[in-house]
Amino acid sequence: EAQVTQNPRYLITVTGKKLTVTCSQNMNHEYMSWYRQDPGLGLRQIYYSMNVEVTDKGDVPEGYKVSRKEKRNFPLILESPSPNQTSLYFCASRGHGGYTFGSGTRLTVV
Amino acid sequence: GENVEQHPSTLSVQEGDSAVIKCTYSDSASNYFPWYKQELGKRPQLIIDIRSNVGEKKDQRIAVTLNKTAKHFSLHITETQPEDSAVYFCAASIKGAQKLVFGQGTRLTINP
Repeated sequence: EAQVTQNPRYLITVTGKKLTVTCSQNMNHEYMSWYRQDPGLGLRQIYYSMNVEVTDKGDVPEGYKVSRKEKRNFPLILESPSPNQTSLYFCASRGHGGYTFGSGTRLTVV
Repeated sequence: GENVEQHPSTLSVQEGDSAVIKCTYSDSASNYFPWYKQELGKRPQLIIDIRSNVGEKKDQRIAVTLNKTAKHFSLHITETQPEDSAVYFCAASIKGAQKLVFGQGTRLTINP
């Protein structure tokens, strides 16, 4: 089954403790992206990647890092999480049929 | 950069009636306009999309219209059903969908 897999689904962490949210797709898509979803703001792009080793900032990249060492994986890294990064995060990959989103990661930073 | 405005933020209609959600975009270079439906606690899922060389597209009870001159596009749902209740997002992409910019979302409630 074609899918985008994110882990974990839920995460509660403390301010300053580094964390990684993993994202993997099995559709051989070149393009992948991370979004955060906040009430009243829709989905805002954090980072995107056009291909392996090619990444670029989206609209809200501050406080986040990404890497694209393999085509299928696109992890999101929060080096020093802060409470304003509490949000619902979605990974997505894009093919001919449009974007496919992962199931989401609800992150709470206390 | 691109900015997408979506209205209304909430919409409540009686089952069987039609619902219309409207979006405007700012960048005339945008050429791809998808609509996503997000049910409670789930991921956004593409329900219909339109490209700038087309003015209207239909898929059963769902249709999207695009006015390039006015830079706005709309989602039309006819004969609404309870399962249509969800949050709907419009989006616009710039230069071949390298970046997808979303509207703020519309919470649609279908009243039985």
